[in-house]
Amino acid sequence: QKEVEQNSGPLSVPEGAIASLNCTYSDRVSQSFFWYRQYSGKSPELIMSIYSNGDKEDGRFTAQLNKASQYVSLLIRDSQPSDSATYLCAPYSGGYQKVTFGTGTKLQVIP
Amino acid sequence: SQTIHQWPATLVQPVGSPLSLECTVEGTSNPNLYWYRQAAGRGLQLLFYSVGIGQISSEVPQNLSASRPQDRQFILSSKKLLLSDSGFYLCAWSTGDVSTDTQYFGPGTRLTVL
Repeated sequence: QKEVEQNSGPLSVPEGAIASLNCTYSDRVSQSFFWYRQYSGKSPELIMSIYSNGDKEDGRFTAQLNKASQYVSLLIRDSQPSDSATYLCAPYSGGYQKVTFGTGTKLQVIP
Repeated sequence: SQTIHQWPATLVQPVGSPLSLECTVEGTSNPNLYWYRQAAGRGLQLLFYSVGIGQISSEVPQNLSASRPQDRQFILSSKKLLLSDSGFYLCAWSTGDVSTDTQYFGPGTRLTVL
């Protein structure tokens, strides 16, 4: 069974700091990786996708992928209180395999 | 652009009553469609997915069923609700691109079974 591991948190960071969210996955053939943000009581919203080893930057967000280590992370620079949410990691193995969602890391940005 | 709708937004139902939740997608053709449930404080549980009209795959045996009567319509049903059916029900769509399969979620339906 495919597993996705995330620290449930809460991860507390002060406003303006860098938040680092980590995820490990068990399926070695995973080829696409997604990060979703879910505010309390709302549905998940896609914020980043990454397909190749290395870093991918989009504004204040940077996704990092290391397929050899089966590790993907999300960095949020200059964290804002509005970033306070649960972040879901979701690897996808391709073909008709479904996306596997982690249980998420709750991030709290303290003003 | 694509839009996904779900209704109702919230629902309170007694145990043993029937259920029908609807999801529709606009702006795309032949999407893959998914139903997930998220219990309070828990992760996303995939319930059903569909790659086309009338094609439904069930991930978890339970008292729920799904149907896809039209290309962009996905319905989740139950004949008799259980207390354990309470949760946040999310519909999602993807293009079915086997290399990426990015999923986009609807606003969700919060179901409380009393």
